[in-house]
Amino acid sequence: ELKVEQNPLFLSMQEGKNYTIYCNYSTTSDRLYWYRQDPGKSLESLFVLLSNGAVKQEGRLMASLDTKARLSTLHITAAVHDLSATYFCAVDSRDRDDKIIFGKGTRLHILP
Amino acid sequence: KAGVTQTPRYLIKTRGQQVTLSCSPISGHRSVSWYQQTPGQGLQFLFEYFSETQRNKGNFPGRFSGRQFSNSRSEMNVSTLELGDSALYLCASSFTHNTGELFFGEGSRLTVL
Repeated sequence: ELKVEQNPLFLSMQEGKNYTIYCNYSTTSDRLYWYRQDPGKSLESLFVLLSNGAVKQEGRLMASLDTKARLSTLHITAAVHDLSATYFCAVDSRDRDDKIIFGKGTRLHILP
Repeated sequence: KAGVTQTPRYLIKTRGQQVTLSCSPISGHRSVSWYQQTPGQGLQFLFEYFSETQRNKGNFPGRFSGRQFSNSRSEMNVSTLELGDSALYLCASSFTHNTGELFFGEGSRLTVL
């Protein structure tokens, strides 16, 4: 069964600092997605990573995918308060298990 | 382009009752997935429908069921509600069942008393 593990699950950090969220998964897949969820809101797609070595950047966020290591990272550069949210990675195993499985999410709290 | 629409947004039920939640996908999207979100378990896959057929089902009891109509709209039903069914139920649509990212609705927040 596909397992998706994120760490850390909770992160409190100061504005201006850099940090990385990790997403490990247990099966072969070259399709991974990152989503953001604000409190009381739905999930919003951030990045779509579709191949080994894929790197996507949007503002202060950068996501990468290493399919050989079964690892994706979401890097935050010079964090600002507006980035406070919960971030989910989701692994697309639909060509194998016909499912998209989400990690438990990383709750990011950025202190002003 | 309208997004994914879920109704109702909030509802309160008592144990033993049943509930039906509705989801209208983005126009042109034929795949609809349902997820249950709770603080303890995170996002758990319920089922996915494509072209009116259930493609896959998560590890939930038979009290949880769903269907998809010819216009791609989907409903999920939970019968004999239990306290543990209190959750945010999220619907997501995608163009097909095997490619693409998911587009989520705002969710239906169910409270079971």
